[in-house]
Amino acid sequence: DFVMTQSPLSLPVTPGESASISCRSSQSLVHSDGHSYLDWYLQKPGQSPQVLIYLGSIRAPGVPDRFSGGGSGTHFTLKISRVEAEDVGVYYCMQALQTPRTFGQGTKVEIK
Amino acid sequence: EVQLVESGGDLVQPGGSLRLSCAASGFTFSRYWMHWVRKAPGKGLVWVSRVNGDGSSATYAGSVKGRFAISRENANNTLYLQMTNLRAEDTAVYYCARAHCSGGSCYYGHFDYWGQGTLVTVSS
Repeated sequence: DFVMTQSPLSLPVTPGESASISCRSSQSLVHSDGHSYLDWYLQKPGQSPQVLIYLGSIRAPGVPDRFSGGGSGTHFTLKISRVEAEDVGVYYCMQALQTPRTFGQGTKVEIK
Repeated sequence: EVQLVESGGDLVQPGGSLRLSCAASGFTFSRYWMHWVRKAPGKGLVWVSRVNGDGSSATYAGSVKGRFAISRENANNTLYLQMTNLRAEDTAVYYCARAHCSGGSCYYGHFDYWGQGTLVTVSS
């Protein structure tokens, strides 16, 4: 199975500042079609998870443009520019290249 | 509007069984692959199982293989998860999620819609 490792696991942020979360896969997530099958999800307190980014860098519909995803191969990054109070929650990366799908441990983002 | 509504969660004793349901609406259910994902208290998200559109192919996480069975009734737009021989470590909120399809393929699809979850507690 693919092992997904996120860092940091806890991320206190100041509103208005930027934040970055790293996600590393034990194997390359690049498919022969050229896409990187890495998704980012956010689970806000008391809510179900929601997709933020798919295929490594494509923002899901309705996701603010302050969220951006990048990377390829085995290393990916989620960046939040100008963090807002509503961005608190646990962020997960998930590989979608192979079944079983596997998630990172989660990164808890909280406001300082 | 796409909606996924889970039900069936309950308190069950170790070794017991439970069937979860996920009622889908707002889209052509039979065209989409569906997944179950769970979140145990204080832990992260864990993928559990998936089924293809016509129900002919299913895959499971190693931790539930042989104990859980995913199925679907496309005529009733409902996804199921039959859970048997439940263990304390199966205690979690269980979510159903729809896999996005692109170019006719749902295999690699991200989870574009999630239900609200249903709580399963395994305890004596």
